[in-house]
Amino acid sequence: SQQGEEDPQALSIQEGENATMNCSYKTSINNLQWYRQNSGRGLVHLILIRSNEREKHSGRLRVTLDTSKKSSSLLITASRAADTASYFCATDAETDSWGKLQFGAGTQVVVTP
Amino acid sequence: SQTIHQWPATLVQPVGSPLSLECTVEGTSNPNLYWYRQAAGRGLQLLFYSVGIGQISSEVPQNLSASRPQDRQFILSSKKLLLSDSGFYLCAWSATGYYEQYFGPGTRLTVT
Repeated sequence: SQQGEEDPQALSIQEGENATMNCSYKTSINNLQWYRQNSGRGLVHLILIRSNEREKHSGRLRVTLDTSKKSSSLLITASRAADTASYFCATDAETDSWGKLQFGAGTQVVVTP
Repeated sequence: SQTIHQWPATLVQPVGSPLSLECTVEGTSNPNLYWYRQAAGRGLQLLFYSVGIGQISSEVPQNLSASRPQDRQFILSSKKLLLSDSGFYLCAWSATGYYEQYFGPGTRLTVT
């Protein structure tokens, strides 16, 4: 079953704009991760945020985590055409003794020049 | 540095035929290994994971099986493919004790 659900399902923006996508999950987690997938390719790990963290940055990426609302957001600032991809959140349930991940259905982002 | 390979990249097979997809990891030892399937426009479904040679856990009962004959080799198999087995199959690895997973390029399987 899917643990994470991304919102929106699709997002179209112009270069230079910011892109924000959200992820909601159902059960307590150890960590939440964001991955990117270019069309027809494997996933690339972007960032991991631990359950005791509230915000994390990596380059143009900013991730927030609100465990009370069971939600996370991924912000891509100053987007580029190369950011066009699908973005997935993935969670590992606190009840799992080992890091099995459950992925959402993803947000498809299109950045137009 | 670590790399992960999958082959073949694409595969078209008739219903009822066997399947063997291979995944190998270089540059690390004793990785955790995973097989996922992704339907078009959807997220990933975990099929199998392995924490060591010969140790396979199945997440979804179906006509697929997995084996890990060597530390860095993970194989996905089927004796008889179904139409519903079509999809994009991804292999991934993670280091023991770490949650980040690293994915291979995937195999696009079409069952006709």
